[in-house]
Formats: sequence, C-alpha cells, structure tokens
Amino acid sequence: GESVGLHLPTLSVQEGDNSIINCAYSNSASDYFIWYKQESGKGPQFIIDIRSNMDKRQGQRVTVLLNKTVKHLSLQIAATQPGDSAVYFCAETTTGNQFYFGTGTSLTVIP
Amino acid sequence: NAGVTQTPKFRILKIGQSMTLQCAQDMNHNYMYWYRQDPGMGLKLIYYSVGAGITDKGEVPNGYNVSRSTTEDFPLRLELAAPSQTSVYFCASSYARAGAGNTIYFGEGSWLTVV
Repeated sequence: GESVGLHLPTLSVQEGDNSIINCAYSNSASDYFIWYKQESGKGPQFIIDIRSNMDKRQGQRVTVLLNKTVKHLSLQIAATQPGDSAVYFCAETTTGNQFYFGTGTSLTVIP
Repeated sequence: NAGVTQTPKFRILKIGQSMTLQCAQDMNHNYMYWYRQDPGMGLKLIYYSVGAGITDKGEVPNGYNVSRSTTEDFPLRLELAAPSQTSVYFCASSYARAGAGNTIYFGEGSWLTVV
C-alpha cells in the first residue's frame, strides 16, 4: 500500500520565525501533492498543491518544495503567526487514483 | 460559501444502534468521499462516489453503507454501531477524479462515539 509519513510529529516555533514541515512518500509514481491545515475541531483546509513536474511552488507566506529523487515534500511557512497553529498533513496521489494522507505534524506557535 | 456541509457535528451511539451521517455539497462536484480519521492516523477512505447512482468501496468500508441519489448528497449509514467505529468522519468532494488541479475539499467533520 501507499505510505505517506512525516518526519516530526510536533513542531514548536516562535512567532515571526519560519516553519518547515516535512513529508515523505513512497510511491515514485505519485504526481500530485497537497498540503492541508487542520485546526482543532475542524475539517482539513487546502493550503497549497504541487504537481510532480514542478519542484517549487509559492503561495501567500507558504512555499512547497518537492524533491522527487528522495520522495520528499516540505511546507515552509514564512513569518509564522499564532493563527498558523494547527496540524499540517500532506496528501499524495497518482492521477486517477485515491489520495493517501499522512498522519500530520502538530505546529505550535509560541507568542 | 457553504461548500461541504455535514450533520450532525457530534453524536453518541450505543452499540448496535444505527444512524446516518448526512453530507451535502453545493459546488456541483461529481466526486464525493467519506473518510474516517482516527487519532495518530491519516485519513482513511471509507466509500466514494463518482456521480449520482454510482458508489464504490474505499480502504475501510466494512460496517458502512452509502448511497448517492443526487449530485449534492452523499449520506453514510452505520447499520450496527460498534466501538471500533468511534472516530471523526469527514465528507469531502472534488470536481473530477483525484489529480492535478482536482483538489479535495472537506466538510467540518462529525465526531461519533459508540459506547
């Protein structure tokens, strides 16, 4: 089966610092990846996605990096704010198949 | 923007009881999904539907049933609740099959406890 995992289950950062959340995947055929943010008691919210033909994509304060050689995905959050505190998890798929979701990293922003 | 709406938000069931989790989306999405999320685990696919009248099993379908009579609605039925079904359930939808550009959008979740 698929395997989508995260290197660190928890991450604490100071407000204003940059955060980096990592994700490893095992299916070299995966061609689409998404990062979700899940606040306590809420459903996952789409943050940013990336296709396998790219190695970097930027959004507002967020950047996703994809390294297909080592099957690694990262989410960088610039100038982390208290509102960024949440669980972040990655999802990957091979087009036409189901998504597989990681277990998540809990990000805590210290004011 | 309503998006994906789930009801109820919280429910406590006794072992052996039945219930239906309701899900509706107003984005005219063809694909709809039910996932469960257990502590420390990634989302697991229970059932999915590619359009009205068509449903299929996901990774963990046992103990559940679904129907898709309209594009908007995708209810999940638990026939004989068991403690192993204690979980958070998420309904989701996407315009087309998973893949580039076809992001899955989630509801707010339904917390179910079976005692």
